[in-house]
Amino acid sequence: KAGVTQTPRYLIKTRGQQVTLSCSPISGHRSVSWYQQTPGQGLQFLFEYFSETQRNKGNFPGRFSGRQFSNSRSEMNVSTLELGDSALYLCASSLASFVDEQYFGPGTRLTVT
Amino acid sequence: SQQGEEDPQALSIQEGENATMNCSYKTSINNLQWYRQNSGRGLVHLILIRSNEREKHSGRLRVTLDTSKKSSSLLITASRAADTASYFCATRGSGNTPLVFGKGTRLSVIA
Repeated sequence: KAGVTQTPRYLIKTRGQQVTLSCSPISGHRSVSWYQQTPGQGLQFLFEYFSETQRNKGNFPGRFSGRQFSNSRSEMNVSTLELGDSALYLCASSLASFVDEQYFGPGTRLTVT
Repeated sequence: SQQGEEDPQALSIQEGENATMNCSYKTSINNLQWYRQNSGRGLVHLILIRSNEREKHSGRLRVTLDTSKKSSSLLITASRAADTASYFCATRGSGNTPLVFGKGTRLSVIA
């Protein structure tokens, strides 16, 4: 089976712009989670989707949003980018929600200048 | 906020030695998982141990869980240079709670 894929892998944006990141889960996986990883804060949970419904949301401002499509693919959007949004954004998929181990994609490295 | 706290933050050992990493957490859990990350890439799931389990093995990995002390340890035996990576513990609480990661232990295995 193909693993979790994330596009793009690298992205450079300017403050104030918005960005959309994409994640394709492993075939058959219905749960997708997003994490932000920075050197200072570590891995922080953003949100989790299961069957197109947001099941949980982390402690991030409303500028961070996401959605899941009927084919389980997911996108996350960050509007009005700030320098502090520079991070590695990781997507993970699992068979079900809240129980199983997660399979991570390679991440999207976002740099905000 | 982080639930798990790994100890030590960094560990350097010679190839062939054993590496032990510890994880402590604060609240009750449904399961605890260990992940490995190489150089800022995606995480790889290593092992999951449920709250009613005390020990689990997978190849050269041994994980223990002590729910009374709210702690877990990951032992890598006969380490190899390829084991050089960051290792994270992650806890899942009961109900609809997300996976919460610690800040990780950076392991360097010197050939």
